[in-house]
This record gives sequence, structure tokens and C-alpha cells, in this order.
Amino acid sequence: GAVVSQHPSRVICKSGTSVKIECRSLDFQATTMFWYRQFPKQSLMLMATSNEGSKATYEQGVEKDKFLINHASLTLSTLTVTSAHPEDSSFYICSASSLDTYNEQFFGPGTRLTVL
Amino acid sequence: AQSVSQHNHHVILSEAASLELGCNYSYGGTVNLFWYVQYPGQHLQLLLKYFSGDPLVKGIKGFEAEFIKSKFSFNLRKPSVQWSDTAEYFCAVKGSGGGADGLTFGKGTHLIIQP
Repeated sequence: GAVVSQHPSRVICKSGTSVKIECRSLDFQATTMFWYRQFPKQSLMLMATSNEGSKATYEQGVEKDKFLINHASLTLSTLTVTSAHPEDSSFYICSASSLDTYNEQFFGPGTRLTVL
Repeated sequence: AQSVSQHNHHVILSEAASLELGCNYSYGGTVNLFWYVQYPGQHLQLLLKYFSGDPLVKGIKGFEAEFIKSKFSFNLRKPSVQWSDTAEYFCAVKGSGGGADGLTFGKGTHLIIQP
């Protein structure tokens, strides 16, 4: 099956700093990538959808200036958490899909962000 | 707005027991339905999916699910569970427009299989 990686797997940062998380599709070209957020013992919540070469579409309630998403190539999307605060601490998961995968989403392993 | 409800948050079974995890969804249109599994320390993996056709779908590792449109349900079943089935299970839905849409997930069911 298709493989999606995320980097880093864990990150700890100080409040007020920015953190970048990368999501890569390793063996297919992902026309669409999704970013989800998972709180402890809760479900995954869709944050945004990004299509290669265009601006991301954010879900209601997600601050686009806070969570910057870039999908500059068919294999890479990045999520930057700007001016992070403790309430941004969470598990961030990306997924990738394409017409080649019949739009099935393949998930990355997630990134644990802890903001001190 | 679409939503997914999973009835059981924690389920504990003994090996060889039968399993059924409930999932109901709310969506104003035709849907695609999914069950994902997340083993400890691993990423989400697709167990099975329903797009159209036979409402009884079979997935990997002996799992199956039945789409009952009149009940807005997509329950997951396995006739005989194994210790290795211990994991978190998520039901998810998206509109069946054919495009690449994000998924709406249920809160998950934590399944523990006792040897």
C-alpha cells in the first residue's frame, strides 16, 4: 500500500515559537493532503484540505493564520503552527490521496506536539 | 453537518469471542463509509470501506461490516477475535461526490482482547 511519512514524530517547543511539521507521500503523488488533529482519547478532527499548488481549505473554527499549510509539491505538505501555545499541544496527523489511489486516504504516523 | 457516533468507547472481550462495534452516521446525502484501525504505536490503517453495491463488505483480518441505509448504520463485526485485535477502531464517513474530501470520524472504540 501507499506510504505516508511525517517528520518529526515528536516535538517539544516553547510557547510563542513556531513549529513546522512535514508530511510526505513516499511512493505516490498525492494531489490532495489532509491535516487532522487528535486530542487525547478523542477522535480525529479535520483541520484543512490542501491541493497541490493551491491554497488550503480550512474547516470552520480552524485559524488559517495560526495553522499555515503549504502543499508545494505532489509529495510534500507542511503544517506550520505559528506562535504556538500550550493549548495547541496535540497529535497532528496527515493523510494523502490521489486519483491513483481512488481517493483512498493513506495516513501518516502522526506528530506529537507539546508546547511548554 | 455530518457526524459519526460510535456507541462503545471501551470494549473488553476474551479471545475467540464474537465482536460487533456499532457505528451510526448523520449525513444529508449518499455516503462512503470506512472503518480504520490504529494498533498501539502505529498509524491508522484501513480495515474496510463501503462505496456502493453489496452492503456487506469484507475487509482485512477477517473483519466485515454491514451498511444498513435505513438505520444509517455501518457496524463492524468479526466472528472470533484474537489477542492481536487489541487496538483503537474508528468509523468514518465522507460524502460520495467522488472527489477528495476529508473524513468525519467517530470518537473511536478502544478494544481490548484478553488472552
